Amino acid sequence: SQQGEEDPQALSIQEGENATMNCSYKTSINNLQWYRQNSGRGLVHLILIRSNEREKHSGRLRVTLDTSKKSSSLLITASRAADTASYFCAASGSARQLTFGSGTQLTVLP
Amino acid sequence: DGGITQSPKYLFRKEGQNVTLSCEQNLNHDAMYWYRQDPGQGLRLIYYSQIVNDFQKGDIAEGYSVSREKKESFPLTVTSAQKNPTAFYLCAKGFPQHFGDGTRLSIL
Repeated sequence: SQQGEEDPQALSIQEGENATMNCSYKTSINNLQWYRQNSGRGLVHLILIRSNEREKHSGRLRVTLDTSKKSSSLLITASRAADTASYFCAASGSARQLTFGSGTQLTVLP
Repeated sequence: DGGITQSPKYLFRKEGQNVTLSCEQNLNHDAMYWYRQDPGQGLRLIYYSQIVNDFQKGDIAEGYSVSREKKESFPLTVTSAQKNPTAFYLCAKGFPQHFGDGTRLSIL
């Protein structure tokens, strides 16, 4: 079952701008993770936020989690052309299995 | 490669044929996973294994089989019963999950 859903499906911005992607999920989670996928490649883990955390930072990434709304957001600041990729959220329950959303395709224009 | 290797990169299947995708890891993780990705879609879990000689079905296990005879290896067989096998297959290990670079399977 596809628990996470990202919004928007596609996002196009200029280099240097910030990019915000949103994710909604359906059931209770232990943590929520964000991954990046470059075209034709495997996924790369970006950041994990636990259910008792509200915000987490890693470099140019900022993730928020609102468990009351069952939603999360990923903010990429000062975007670069190299940030062009698909971004997926993945909800993790007690069994440590991940349920992925359908992704946001981010294009950063130079 | 983050300690996980998938092969081959591209694979073609003939009608009625079983094909096996390889996934090997070198970092001694217990958990390994197989996912299927269709164009423009997220990942769907096929099978996962938390320990040698044990594995569990995911959301879309029909038409697929796996084995886990060694900790470092978790091969996926796409059987002839899988009528729509064309997809990108991804193997992952550990938690948070680290992914291989995938195998793209097509029908001849």
